Amino acid sequence: KAGVTQTPRYLIKTRGQQVTLSCSPISGHRSVSWYQQTPGQGLQFLFEYFSETQRNKGNFPGRFSGRQFSNSRSEMNVSTLELGDSALYLCASSSGRQELFFGSGTQLSVL
Amino acid sequence: AQKVTQAQTEISVVEKEDVTLDCVYETRDTTYYLFWYKQPPSGELVFLIRRNSFDEQNEISGRYSWNFQKSTSSFNFTITASQVVDSAVYFCALSEAKLGNTDKLIFGTGTRLQVFP
Repeated sequence: KAGVTQTPRYLIKTRGQQVTLSCSPISGHRSVSWYQQTPGQGLQFLFEYFSETQRNKGNFPGRFSGRQFSNSRSEMNVSTLELGDSALYLCASSSGRQELFFGSGTQLSVL
Repeated sequence: AQKVTQAQTEISVVEKEDVTLDCVYETRDTTYYLFWYKQPPSGELVFLIRRNSFDEQNEISGRYSWNFQKSTSSFNFTITASQVVDSAVYFCALSEAKLGNTDKLIFGTGTRLQVFP
């Protein structure tokens, strides 16, 4: 069974640009969550989608948004990038049994 | 508010030593889940264990064991006879047990374990 797939693996952007990250969950998993990992703030919850609806949201500004498609694939978008958005963005999928499976992440660098 | 504290930033041991990673949590919820994840250099978080708050039985899985003590709000993780492959960052996490909130994990800051040959 394929794991959680995140693309791209690395991304370099400049301030002010926007970026879209993609996540394909494990087959059959309907919940997708996104986390941001930085050296300073650690791992922080961004949002969670279930059946194409945002079910939970963390404390991030509106520049961070996401969506989920009918096949459970999810994308997250960050607009007007800031230097502080440089981070590893991790996606996780769940079957609803309180066990999150994470992808390898997208390393975003904002210059 | 929920909070997870991993006071040990970094631990170094020599292969075959036993090592315990500490985790202390805070929550006002009466039911919750506790987790341990391993993050190797590749970056992917690997699930190790989930513990429900009303199940205080300790668990052993091979060289790994977990000690959950509700009285001290601790969920410690012990690796017996450590190996070089155990080198990674280990995260303790907490979530509500309420339906719809179980995937919103609050993570500790992690403990970097280095096992030297």
